[in-house]
Amino acid sequence: GAGVSQSPRYKVTKRGQDVALRCDPISGHVSLYWYRQALGQGPEFLTYFNYEAQQDKSGLPNDRFSAERPEGSISTLTIQRTEQRDSAMYRCASSPGGPPPAGFNEQYFGPGTRLTVT
Amino acid sequence: EDQVTQSPEALRLQEGESSSLNCSYTVSGLRGLFWYRQDPGKGPEFLFTLYSAGEEKEKERLKATLTKKESFLHITAPKPEDSATYLCAVQGPDGLSDKIIFGKGTRLHILP
Repeated sequence: GAGVSQSPRYKVTKRGQDVALRCDPISGHVSLYWYRQALGQGPEFLTYFNYEAQQDKSGLPNDRFSAERPEGSISTLTIQRTEQRDSAMYRCASSPGGPPPAGFNEQYFGPGTRLTVT
Repeated sequence: EDQVTQSPEALRLQEGESSSLNCSYTVSGLRGLFWYRQDPGKGPEFLFTLYSAGEEKEKERLKATLTKKESFLHITAPKPEDSATYLCAVQGPDGLSDKIIFGKGTRLHILP
């Protein structure tokens, strides 16, 4: 079956522009997480959803960042008025959800979107 | 203060030379500890989930163990294809949500 997909894979934008990054999770997966990953570092938590409900957005750096998952499937991470410091790899991951031990927390990562702000 | 600390940052081993990677954590409400493997240019790939102290899981040459304060990833007789970055993560570090916090990873290089 299809894995997690993200689009675009690469995005170059000018400072001040808005960007929208899309994540298409594995069908039926309840949980969806967004991360940002710098080179040589582990993924940095941004936010996560169970179904369509945003459960925790404490990792979003500031109010220029927002995320939604309106129908409990595809999610969009939006960055408004981009700045050079927003340049990074943005990854999403989905997991089946449900109580352990049935793969509760096993996450499947997408290939990421490499964002470059010039 | 880092909640998840991995050591060493990098490790070079000869093929067949067994070793262990460490992940120490400081959290108030652990819901799960995970190990992932990440190859260059790719997303992390799930290896193990551990839920409680004393738990162990194995997969091929890898074995993960968990205590109340740390986890170890033991690699037995590694091969060059085991070269990758190994990431540790904890879920629910503040006991309030299922946020997941990753460590910085250990870059493992196995020499043939």
